Amino acid sequence: AQSVTQPDARVTVSEGASLQLRCKYSYSATPYLFWYVQYPRQGLQLLLKYYSGDPVVQGVNGFEAEFSKSNSSFHLRKASVHWSDSAVYFCAVGNTGYQNFYFGKGTSLTVIP
Amino acid sequence: EAAVTQSPRNKVTVTGGNVTLSCRQTNSHNYMYWYRQDTGHGLRLIHYSYGAGNLQIGDVPDGYKATRTTQEDFFLLLELASPSQTSLYFCASSAGQGNTLYFGAGTRLSVL
Repeated sequence: AQSVTQPDARVTVSEGASLQLRCKYSYSATPYLFWYVQYPRQGLQLLLKYYSGDPVVQGVNGFEAEFSKSNSSFHLRKASVHWSDSAVYFCAVGNTGYQNFYFGKGTSLTVIP
Repeated sequence: EAAVTQSPRNKVTVTGGNVTLSCRQTNSHNYMYWYRQDTGHGLRLIHYSYGAGNLQIGDVPDGYKATRTTQEDFFLLLELASPSQTSLYFCASSAGQGNTLYFGAGTRLSVL
């Protein structure tokens, strides 16, 4: 069965610091992988997605993620965070053949000015 | 920009009450979804649909019905609401396999 694990429920970093949010997935085939962000009182918005090709994919606002098939991971990174990056970040996997998506429980990011 | 509109934004009902949550998308997407978001659980899929008249069961369907009346409109029905259904509900749409989900702003439901 498909599943997504985000091991860190909460992360706090200082503004200007680098960031990595971890995501591990379980899926038998090559999945579609996504990172979404949820700002307070809003719906989720796409940051980036991956299916094939270069394992490092670029997203909006300076975010990038790296796919590792051997580790079944899709970690999100940013070189220098801003206070406005404070939000909840969700990793998701979409299965091929069926139009369904599975989400991790989310990581709440707090950026201290 | 894709648009998904949910109504109402907030709803309070009593145990045993009937509730209908509405969702409309103007993206001409085939797929529409209902998720609930709860602390400690993330997003869980209730029902989804790939076209008018179609309904697929998600991972947490108990106590929920859904109906897709048109390509644009997808409704979630709680016919005998229970306090365990107090949650934040999101509707989303997608063009198809591997495509991005576009989310509405959510409906916060409280069942007293």
